Amino acid sequence: GQQVMQIPQYQHVQEGEDFTTYCNSSTTLSNIQWYKQRPGGHPVFLIQLVKSGEVKKQKRLTFQFGEAKKNSSLHITATQTTDVGTYFCAGATGTASKLTFGTGTRLQVTL
Amino acid sequence: NAGVMQNPRHLVRRRGQEARLRCSPMKGHSHVYWYRQLPEEGLKFMVYLQKENIIDESGMPKERFSAEFPKEGPSILRIQQVVRGDSAAYFCASSPGRGDTGELFFGEGSRLTVL
Repeated sequence: GQQVMQIPQYQHVQEGEDFTTYCNSSTTLSNIQWYKQRPGGHPVFLIQLVKSGEVKKQKRLTFQFGEAKKNSSLHITATQTTDVGTYFCAGATGTASKLTFGTGTRLQVTL
Repeated sequence: NAGVMQNPRHLVRRRGQEARLRCSPMKGHSHVYWYRQLPEEGLKFMVYLQKENIIDESGMPKERFSAEFPKEGPSILRIQQVVRGDSAAYFCASSPGRGDTGELFFGEGSRLTVL
């Protein structure tokens, strides 16, 4: 079945440093989504990418979707303590398909 | 506009008992997803339902687990004869169900502890 892997599993940065998480799918995706889950909380949608090679920005966050539509990345510039949490990518393979979540990257930010 | 509502938020069961978890999707949403999350792990897909219809149950264990989304009322995830390994957070999510799989709106989860 479809597998979605993320690296790194865990990253600890100092506030102000940059952070990147990478997402790789075993199958071609129709779209990829990113979610953030704070400790003890529930996943919250961040963004959806649909087009091959698409790049989207949200303030300090930059999201990319690979040309082959099998990988994606999330980059955070100048991290803040509010960025703490686990970031999941999630891929769909078509209409009315389940969303398969990646393994997640847990980000810890310290002052 | 209320979000996805899950109850109970916390449930404690002894081995062998039954657990029933309920999920009311956002208003106007006709599709419901159930995911399981073990501590410090990712979200594992369990089942994807429309009203009165199971679309994809490829992530559901073959035994003891069942899900439904009736015409009226919430979606229910039922776990019979619970075992300690069923202890996890169970998240429900909903979507409008139009076109390609889009944003999922998650509930706050039901945390099941099996003693």
